[in-house]
Amino acid sequence: DSGVTQTPKHLITATGQRVTLRCSPRSGDLSVYWYQQSLDQGLQFLIQYYNGEERAKGNILERFSAQQFPDLHSELNLSSLELGDSALYFCASSVGLRGGVTDTQYFGPGTRLTVL
Amino acid sequence: DQQVKQNSPSLSVQEGRISILNCDYTNSMFDYFLWYKKYPAEGPTFLISISSIKDKNEDGRFTVFLNKSAKHLSLHIVPSQPGDSAVYFCAASDRGSRLTFGEGTQLTVNP
Repeated sequence: DSGVTQTPKHLITATGQRVTLRCSPRSGDLSVYWYQQSLDQGLQFLIQYYNGEERAKGNILERFSAQQFPDLHSELNLSSLELGDSALYFCASSVGLRGGVTDTQYFGPGTRLTVL
Repeated sequence: DQQVKQNSPSLSVQEGRISILNCDYTNSMFDYFLWYKKYPAEGPTFLISISSIKDKNEDGRFTVFLNKSAKHLSLHIVPSQPGDSAVYFCAASDRGSRLTFGEGTQLTVNP
């Protein structure tokens, strides 16, 4: 158990809909990262928040948005869903600003999103 | 543009033997490299890392080797155990916060 929690575990929805994925970081961690893993692919970095502020952005679609709340939990909002958005969405957290070797990222169990 | 590549989607070894997982990268700015292990229905778990100023880092049965000139790193597991069966992801960081992951290699250790 990494200490990072994600809800829900599974989500099935229809095209055009909007969903919200939730992540609670490990106690004491200030950074939250979101990654997407599509079928047979590695994890793709989407976005990072540090202590409530956006710090880095990856290949995140304009239909997707995220935020980190004062209690440090984070939500990833996916709207106008398409079939291709079906994937595993992982949240990770780390203590500091830099998520490299000296600031290990710990991953949650993921949310499996299926868009029908 | 796949900056981190794991060319072997799968690897099968016998228990007690050595497992060698390989990873190649193209971005010269990467300065930290990590290996994560992932079991089904779980998130990736950090395994071991190495800074670009080193060429080897060891932690128990796990050793990571970095060859900067070849832009290649490898993870050695000795001896391999059935519990090591998982997907292994190579990841790299370029002084920033994001990790760039490879596609993963499914390791199967046969008893």
